[in-house]
Amino acid sequence: DVKVTQSSRYLVKRTGEKVFLECVQDMDHENMFWYRQDPGLGLRLIYFSYDVKMKEKGDIPEGYSVSREKKERFSLILESASTNQTSMYLCASSLQGVSDTQYFGPGTRLTVL
Amino acid sequence: AQSVTQLDSHVSVSEGTPVLLRCNYSSSYSPSLFWYVQHPNKGLQLLLKYTSAATLVKGINGFEAEFKKSETSFHLTKPSAHMSDAAEYFCVVSDSGGKLIFGQGTELSVKP
Repeated sequence: DVKVTQSSRYLVKRTGEKVFLECVQDMDHENMFWYRQDPGLGLRLIYFSYDVKMKEKGDIPEGYSVSREKKERFSLILESASTNQTSMYLCASSLQGVSDTQYFGPGTRLTVL
Repeated sequence: AQSVTQLDSHVSVSEGTPVLLRCNYSSSYSPSLFWYVQHPNKGLQLLLKYTSAATLVKGINGFEAEFKKSETSFHLTKPSAHMSDAAEYFCVVSDSGGKLIFGQGTELSVKP
């Protein structure tokens, strides 16, 4: 079974703090993704990566950056957290290809005070 | 550009009755379509996937969906709801670059 793990289930940070969300997958997948989920908006893609050290902007990259130094790990960074970044963050991975199934982690619920 | 619309934000059914969750998509080419389910406090799980093979796709837990190109629809159905089906369901279309575009979600409630 594919396993995607995220470093924290719940996180509370203060405005202006630098925040790191970590994601690890154990199936040697090429692709990794970061989404945020907000009620009534579904999931929106923040950043994705097709290979180590590669990154591509998604639909809402502003205020975020990412890092992929190893194939199995994809980090989402909030350089200076703001209250409008309070959300559920979901990481996913897929093998390769346009229509490959994405496997999701359990999510990190981030609250920025 | 690809897009997906889930026509109901909330659906409520009684246990043992049929489930219908509606989804319409927009795509300039033959898309890949997915349904994902999210149970409370859990990650998203793939229910089923359509990738231009059979138009009727069977998924896990008795769910199925039918791709109808003429109606640009991909509705999710189940003949008989179970209490454990209560969750949020997402209809998803892939774009030409391989990214997934999610609908807004439909929350399914199942009454005893």
